[in-house]
Parts: sequence; structure tokens; C-alpha cells
Amino acid sequence: QLQLQESGPGLVKPSETLSLTCTVSGGSISSSSYYWGWIRQPPGKGLEWIGSIYYSGSTYYNPSLKSRVTISVDTSKNQFSLKLSSVTAADTAVYYCARHPSLAARPYWYFDLWGRGTLVTVSS
Amino acid sequence: QSVLTQPPSASGTPGQRVTISCSGSSSNIGSNYVYWYQQLPGTAPKLLIYRNNQRPSGVPDRFSGSKSGTSASLAISGLRSEDEADYYCAAWDDSLSGPGVVFGGGTKLTVL
Repeated sequence: QLQLQESGPGLVKPSETLSLTCTVSGGSISSSSYYWGWIRQPPGKGLEWIGSIYYSGSTYYNPSLKSRVTISVDTSKNQFSLKLSSVTAADTAVYYCARHPSLAARPYWYFDLWGRGTLVTVSS
Repeated sequence: QSVLTQPPSASGTPGQRVTISCSGSSSNIGSNYVYWYQQLPGTAPKLLIYRNNQRPSGVPDRFSGSKSGTSASLAISGLRSEDEADYYCAAWDDSLSGPGVVFGGGTKLTVL
């Protein structure tokens, strides 16, 4: 069945750019039935949606992070990626990639399949 | 401070019925669907309820969701030890300051 796997550096220096990739296996990222999103969770805290992308490249971003976030998709590799610039210690979190359904290219806003998450620590 | 408000903790004994509340506003719960997630310790969240009260395949009918106005609730009946987890509500927010998905701060459920 379809699985999501996050990958990327576990340690990023302050002011640098955090870069993560989510690989979709067991299915196609180009399915018209889904959007693909990023959600993060600081240690011991709650969930925060970062943004989402459709296979066509259409994106939605969290307004509070929009100025620092870029989400892209590579359909040839069945992957989508997250870049978060100018990171600080407040960006330390477990980052999850997840899938959410879509109808007629419009997203439904619930995440029905999640990756296992990857911890990214921002520290010098 | 989360946009959606949940009690930080809840508890119950095996077999009991427990409810977890989620309070929002007209721009989120009041005008959009509510979703609920269960996060077992050390694992990724799992979708529990979508579109206010729909259960994905595989979720026991012990779990139920409801919505009224700008509030929503998750009910767990026949509480079991394996239900001990963090529970999060979520919704789309049509805020003029910028739309997006918003989550509650989470409720830690303890099975006594």
C-alpha cells in the first residue's frame, strides 16, 4: 500500500535553510485524487500545518510561515519537498509529510495518511 | 496559543465514556468541517474522524464526532487502555488574515 517517507538533514544551523523530501511509494504522486502536505510538531507541543501541494504544482501555505516556505513537487521522482528559510530554534520539530484527498483539484483538509516523521533540530 | 481550544487533559476508567471538546469560531468550526486525530506515544497522528462525524475504514465505532455551532466534540465509549493518547481537532480556517488549516492544542487522554 502507499507509504510516505521523510528524509533530510537532522541538524540545521540557525539562519540557514531547512530542506526535506517526502518520497511516495506504492502509488503515484500524480494522482488527481490527492494533495500532499507538510505538518510539524515541536517537541512536546501540538501540530502545525506548514503547507500543501498538488501534482500540478498548485500550493497552499500557512500564512504565518508563507514568507519562509517553499513546497515543490517532482513527479518524475514521486517526491515532494519542503524548504524553510532563515530557521531559528523555534523551527525545531518533528516534520511529517502527509496526504489529503482532493476532488476536482480542490483539496479536502484532512490528512488520511502520514509518514513516520523526521526530527529536525536547529542549533549551531 | 492554538486557534482551536481543547482541554489539555482528560481521563477515564476502562469501559467509561469520555468526551473531548474543541472550541473555535465562525471562521473555522462554524463554517467548515472538523477533523480529529489520534496520536499514540512516539507515533505519527492517525485520522480518527473526518467531515465532523465520519469514521475512516478501520476506526472502531466507539469513536464518534459531533459539531454544533462553533464547537465540536469527540466521544470515546467503552474506553480501553489502548485509547491512551493525544487527541487533536482540526479545521480549515477562512480567516481574513490568511486562510489555512488550524489545529487544537491537543488533549492528553489518560486511562486510569
